Amino acid sequence: DVKVTQSSRYLVKRTGEKVFLECVQDMDHENMFWYRQDPGLGLRLIYFSYDVKMKEKGDIPEGYSVSREKKERFSLILESASTNQTSMYLCASSSGQKGNTEAFFGQGTRLTVV
Amino acid sequence: AQTVTQSQPEMSVQEAETVTLSCTYDTSENNYYLFWYKQPPSRQMILVIRQEAYKQQNATENRFSVNFQKAAKSFSLKISDSQLGDTAMYFCAFMKHRDSGGYNKLIFGAGTRLAVHP
Repeated sequence: DVKVTQSSRYLVKRTGEKVFLECVQDMDHENMFWYRQDPGLGLRLIYFSYDVKMKEKGDIPEGYSVSREKKERFSLILESASTNQTSMYLCASSSGQKGNTEAFFGQGTRLTVV
Repeated sequence: AQTVTQSQPEMSVQEAETVTLSCTYDTSENNYYLFWYKQPPSRQMILVIRQEAYKQQNATENRFSVNFQKAAKSFSLKISDSQLGDTAMYFCAFMKHRDSGGYNKLIFGAGTRLAVHP
């Protein structure tokens, strides 16, 4: 079974802290994504990556950065956490092979910034 | 830009009955994919069903089926014989075809919270 693992299920951080959310997948997928989930807004794409050291901005990249030094790991970084970044963060991966479109998700990290 | 709209924030259904969740989308693409994902209280997002836009036949997966109306840009999900385990958030999602340079990005609707009651 494909497994996408997020390092924390719940996280509480203080305003101004640098926050790292880690995501690891075990299926050798090329594509990895970070989404933010908020009630009434669904999932919004923050950043994505098609390959090691590659990254592309999604729809809401402000206040975030990412790192992909290894194929299996994709990290989301909040440079200086703010209360409006309190949210659920979901990591996903997909194969990128033609016709293979299914995305696999981690269980999410519920981040609270106080 | 593509958008996905789910106009029903919440729905409820009795066990064993049928329920239909609505989804509309906007795109200028001719070739694309549409999905329904389920997120139960455990938060684990699971793919329910997928439709390829160039296929006229509606996709089915056991108790789950879709009504895909390409001209109307409508993609509804029908759940037959609802079970308590179907209680979840349901998200409709759009993906451009790979040949369109979509890079497998999913665009999600706001979600519909479905409650199945005994």
